[in-house]
Amino acid sequence: DAGITQSPRHKVTETGTPVTLRCHQTENHRYMYWYRQDPGHGLRLIHYSYGVKDTDKGEVSDGYSVSRSKTEDFLLTLESATSSQTSVYFCAIKTGQSYEQYFGPGTRLTVT
Amino acid sequence: TQLLEQSPQFLSIQEGENLTVYCNSSSVFSSLQWYRQEPGEGPVLLVTVVTGGEVKKLKRLTFQFGDARKDSSLHITAAQPGDTGLYLCAEGNTNAGKSTFGDGTTLTVKP
Repeated sequence: DAGITQSPRHKVTETGTPVTLRCHQTENHRYMYWYRQDPGHGLRLIHYSYGVKDTDKGEVSDGYSVSRSKTEDFLLTLESATSSQTSVYFCAIKTGQSYEQYFGPGTRLTVT
Repeated sequence: TQLLEQSPQFLSIQEGENLTVYCNSSSVFSSLQWYRQEPGEGPVLLVTVVTGGEVKKLKRLTFQFGDARKDSSLHITAAQPGDTGLYLCAEGNTNAGKSTFGDGTTLTVKP
């Protein structure tokens, strides 16, 4: 258990509304990642962070922004949610020098 | 970005049968991770393989890394319903420790 929590676990929102998902870790790991998972697409990287206030884009970053003001929290924001952003969102952390990642339980987001 | 191909995409078997799933790439892996994801949960790391020809065992699961480090397989002996899930392979790269994931194999083991 890498001490990763995500909130909320489920959310339904309307098109055009802003949404923020939170990832919280308890072990002060440097690297944190946000993925989305959709049928037929596996896990796709949205944004990642390599330290406080240090973030960068992944392969599917359009429509998303992130912030990391504290080591333990990594926030994902959908500025104006669209139906194409209906998905399951996973946060992950990387420990040490390996490429092994540890995932949170996920947030299921539905945009109507 | 390296493309990982996993096969088969779906596999449905009876309890007690053996199975093998595959992860392939056109490029050499630096290291390869296998994850299992159960419905409604996040992926859980099973194993990392690094050395060409490496074999690792985790109870009834056997992981092999190809000699050329461009392919890997996961063999499950005497599958059980608890093995049901999505099996993902992933390859890390040196850029901020990012990983590229395959699309996975969805395994269903029927009692």
